[in-house]
Order: sequence, then C-alpha cells, then structure tokens
Amino acid sequence: GAGVSQTPSNKVTEKGKYVELRCDPISGHTALYWYRQSLGQGPEFLIYFQGTGAADDSGLPNDRFFAVRPEGSVSTLKIQRTERGDSAVYLCASSPNRQGLNTEAFFGQGTRLTVV
Amino acid sequence: DQQVKQNSPSLSVQEGRISILNCDYTNSMFDYFLWYKKYPAEGPTFLISISSIKDKNEDGRFTVFLNKSAKHLSLHIVPSQPGDSAVYFCAASGSNTGKLIFGQGTTLQVKP
Repeated sequence: GAGVSQTPSNKVTEKGKYVELRCDPISGHTALYWYRQSLGQGPEFLIYFQGTGAADDSGLPNDRFFAVRPEGSVSTLKIQRTERGDSAVYLCASSPNRQGLNTEAFFGQGTRLTVV
Repeated sequence: DQQVKQNSPSLSVQEGRISILNCDYTNSMFDYFLWYKKYPAEGPTFLISISSIKDKNEDGRFTVFLNKSAKHLSLHIVPSQPGDSAVYFCAASGSNTGKLIFGQGTTLQVKP
C-alpha cells in the first residue's frame, strides 16, 4: 500500500506480558517516528529513527520500552512487562525528512493497546 | 511542561461560516508548525504547515497564520463544511529533526 501500515490494529494483553507493535513506513522514507496517544491528549513523541539508527529516543518513558529498525524500513516497538498505564494508541509516522529539511510526517492508523 | 497548547477543547460553527482554531507555544526554538486533522479510529492526517520565516500560508479553504512575537498560530477554515468535523491538532518542531510536539487537540463540529 501507499501509506504507513501498522499491525495489529488492536492488541489486548495481560499485565506483565511482552508485546511487539509493527510499523511499515512509506517506501523510501528515511525518517520514522513512534508516538503514543492517550485519551483526550495529543500524540506524545517516543522515538525517532533516521535510517537504521535511533536519532532521538528521549520520549521513551522507561527501559521497558525499546524500538528497532534493523534495515532502515520496518520498525518494531517492543514493550516488556506491560502495565495498565501503557494502554494507549501507538502511532507510527514516516517522512522523507533528511537532516536540514522540515517536512510533514505521514501517520498510520495506529495500534490500540489495552493492558488488562 | 506543555510546550504547545490548544486552550479550546471544542468549537462548534455553522456550515458556511469561518472556523478559527488557535494554538500557542512556548519554545522559541520551534521553526516549523503544522496542523493535523484526525477522524475517529484513524491516524492524524496532515493538513497544512508553515515555516517560521512566513506569517501566512494558504491552501484552498485552509489558511494558517503565524505570529512569532506572540508565539501564536491559528488555522482558519472558510467556508466550513460538515466534513470538516474532526479533532484538529497543532504541532511544532525545531532543529530540523521532524520530531513533533503536539497540542491537546480541538474538536470541531460543523453543523449543517
């Protein structure tokens, strides 16, 4: 497809379990972002990849959260020992942004994570 | 510390009239500003942007105004249409990373 694809669209997991959320960015986009959106709030930045490397992971809330992008395309957000407070919509976005160029990011539909 | 603020949680306007959505920011390092629209169960969709070197950008029915001295931007939609009903997010970035800081959103309802 032409847009950013996120799978699964919904995920329900038990407290303490491990989850992986996948993002397929738009082909050719070098920049990839993960955001988290809680009810009634705007998206909150988690991590930014430029190519394969995490250029900015300052938004990751703690060491239970980790993300990878090994080949510079697909990215996986990994959450260990999930807690009920992790419940949110996790959004992925990509852009052709290269250093020095401001451009808009294109978002996927999100993965709704519910920790019970 | 909320660096981007949208102080109006909701706005209701009549079809055909102007909708004005407001956004304030605190970080003077922000140099690129965007508006996104979001429908339920969908990701945010880019609407319009403005660089800090400009004070206005227009695209069809949508115009964004930037007042750097007041650290304020606004989105004007004219004429408003029922299909414009959605949540609108203001976002800002700096340092050319593309990392976006979002406001809390404003829910716009356009009544037929």
